[in-house]
Amino acid sequence: DVKVTQSSRYLVKRTGEKVFLECVQDMDHENMFWYRQDPGLGLRLIYFSYDVKMKEKGDIPEGYSVSREKKERFSLILESASTNQTSMYLCASSFKGLAGIWQETQYFGPGTRLLVL
Amino acid sequence: GQSLEQPSEVTAVEGAIVQINCTYQTSGFYGLSWYQQHDGGAPTFLSYNALDGLEETGRFSSFLSRSDSYGYLLLQELQMKDSASYFCAVSGSNDYKLSFGAGTTVTVRA
Repeated sequence: DVKVTQSSRYLVKRTGEKVFLECVQDMDHENMFWYRQDPGLGLRLIYFSYDVKMKEKGDIPEGYSVSREKKERFSLILESASTNQTSMYLCASSFKGLAGIWQETQYFGPGTRLLVL
Repeated sequence: GQSLEQPSEVTAVEGAIVQINCTYQTSGFYGLSWYQQHDGGAPTFLSYNALDGLEETGRFSSFLSRSDSYGYLLLQELQMKDSASYFCAVSGSNDYKLSFGAGTTVTVRA
């Protein structure tokens, strides 16, 4: 079974703190993604990476950065946390390849619920 | 960009059939996927359609009409464990990204 793990299930931080969210996958997937999930808005893509040291902005990258130093690990960084970044953060991974079911099936971690006070 | 529309809520009784529609607008299109997410859990992949027609996987089926930019997920013989949120997602280009709808919360009543 594919396993995607995230460093914390729940996190409480103060405004202005630097926050690190880590994600590890064990399936040797090339692609990794960070989403945030808010009620009524679905999943919105923050950043993704299709290879080590590669990163691409998603739909809502402002206020976030990412790091991918190893294939299995993808970190999301909130440089200076703000209350509007209170959300559920989901990491996902997938195979790289020709378009099709294998490439488009994403495997998600359990999520980190972040509260910024 | 991509936009997807799906109903926000559906309620049905055990044993019933539920259809969740998804309409999309994309600049390109590779396929339509469906994900299930139980409360407090991770989204999990259910089905994928790249070509027109119906794909059946047990009690769940998914349909796609590319010409209508429309698809649906059909849940048959509903069970209490099917109470969850269901998301449609499209890939608009060969860049591995998915754009998700806002999700449909399905509530199954006894």
